[in-house]
Amino acid sequence: DAGVTQSPTHLIKTRGQQVTLRCSPKSGHDTVSWYQQALGQGPQFIFQYYEEEERQRGNFPDRFSGHQFPNYSSELNVNALLLGDSALYLCATAQTRSGNTIYFGEGSWLTVV
Amino acid sequence: EDKVVQSPLSLVVHEGDTVTLNCSYEVTNFRSLLWYKQEKKAPTFLFMLTSSGIEKKSGRLSSILDKKELFSILNITATQTGDSAIYLCAVQGGSEKLVFGKGTKLTVNP
Repeated sequence: DAGVTQSPTHLIKTRGQQVTLRCSPKSGHDTVSWYQQALGQGPQFIFQYYEEEERQRGNFPDRFSGHQFPNYSSELNVNALLLGDSALYLCATAQTRSGNTIYFGEGSWLTVV
Repeated sequence: EDKVVQSPLSLVVHEGDTVTLNCSYEVTNFRSLLWYKQEKKAPTFLFMLTSSGIEKKSGRLSSILDKKELFSILNITATQTGDSAIYLCAVQGGSEKLVFGKGTKLTVNP
């Protein structure tokens, strides 16, 4: 049973560019959340997707957008990258209404130069 | 606004010591409190606590929740160098969203 998988694992982008990060949920999970973790900080909630719709959003600008596909996988897009967007981006998945544990992927390290 | 505060932020101990990590929280419509261990990238699940006073135990790790005083502790006995990591506490309110503390960085020296 595959866990939560994310790609790419590392990437470097230039200020102003756009990036797309991908997440495949653990088998049986239908809810996908994205978190941003800056160095020395705990993960910060970006948004959550369920049934292909954004269900909840954290305090992040509109430059951060996402999508969930019919197979429950998800993408996080960040436009007009800033140096401050450099962080570890974590995908977390869960099975809605089951009360099950939330599982995290290995994350994507984004460096903006 | 939901909030989680962990203490201490950093801790250095010797192998064999026992450590207690603290987590206090404020959350609307509390659902659960979770502890994760983060070594390099992915936080790995340790415990989920939903009821007060019931200790959860896994090997040398244990945790308990106090919903009246709004805090939880994570205990690690007979620490080993492999316990060196960042320990994250998170609370879950009315949705799947987790609110995290800043974490406690534990270093266990041989």
